[in-house]
Amino acid sequence: QITLKESGPTLVKPTQTLTLTCTFSGFSLSTSGMGVGWIRQPPGKALEWLALICWDDNKRYSPSLKSRLTITKDTSKNQVVLTMTNMDPVDTATYYCAQSRGVYSQSLNWFDPWGQGTLVTVSS
Amino acid sequence: QSVLTQPASVSGSPGQSITIPCTGTSSDVGAYDFVSWYQQHPGKAPKLMIYDVRHRPSGVSDRFSGSKSGNTASLTISGLRAEDEADYYCSSYTSSTSVVFGGGTKLTVL
Repeated sequence: QITLKESGPTLVKPTQTLTLTCTFSGFSLSTSGMGVGWIRQPPGKALEWLALICWDDNKRYSPSLKSRLTITKDTSKNQVVLTMTNMDPVDTATYYCAQSRGVYSQSLNWFDPWGQGTLVTVSS
Repeated sequence: QSVLTQPASVSGSPGQSITIPCTGTSSDVGAYDFVSWYQQHPGKAPKLMIYDVRHRPSGVSDRFSGSKSGNTASLTISGLRAEDEADYYCSSYTSSTSVVFGGGTKLTVL
């Protein structure tokens, strides 16, 4: 059974850096074809893809947020970490991590399953 | 503003079929067969229903089907049931190797 769980602060101040950790089980990010992505959803709004990291360390970012995002993996701990700098109230959202799978790391594009999500509020 | 366009809401009666369109461009939906669909119930995480335009993950009912024509992909739900009432999101791979989502469609089962 594959599970993922997000962890991190529930409240951050504007201009601070957010660090979120996705801890997963049931697969290894050292296995060919595996990836983990981050997606967020502001309250009452649509999903927004943020970043994805693959087994071969290929990393892809949302073009609109690329300058603020960094995604890394720790294969030994089965964890993926997302950092987002210069947080703003508009970044208030539920942040999800999810598994991605495919043949080519450059084209991984769907997510299943998802973690339960963690609500991050940006406020002073 | 989402890159992929979906109607804000659709509705149907139990047993009926409904279709949710997802319109993109020649740089995303029209360029690749990498369209997926997600179902999200209130307060829950999204669930993958369709990937690569028309493929169903194991465990997803065959009442759900996907298709694509040009720059528009579609999700069809046949034999509508009360439990299908949820938000539905499409997503697509893009020519810049990113992933984009639609604005979401709220399905109401009358």
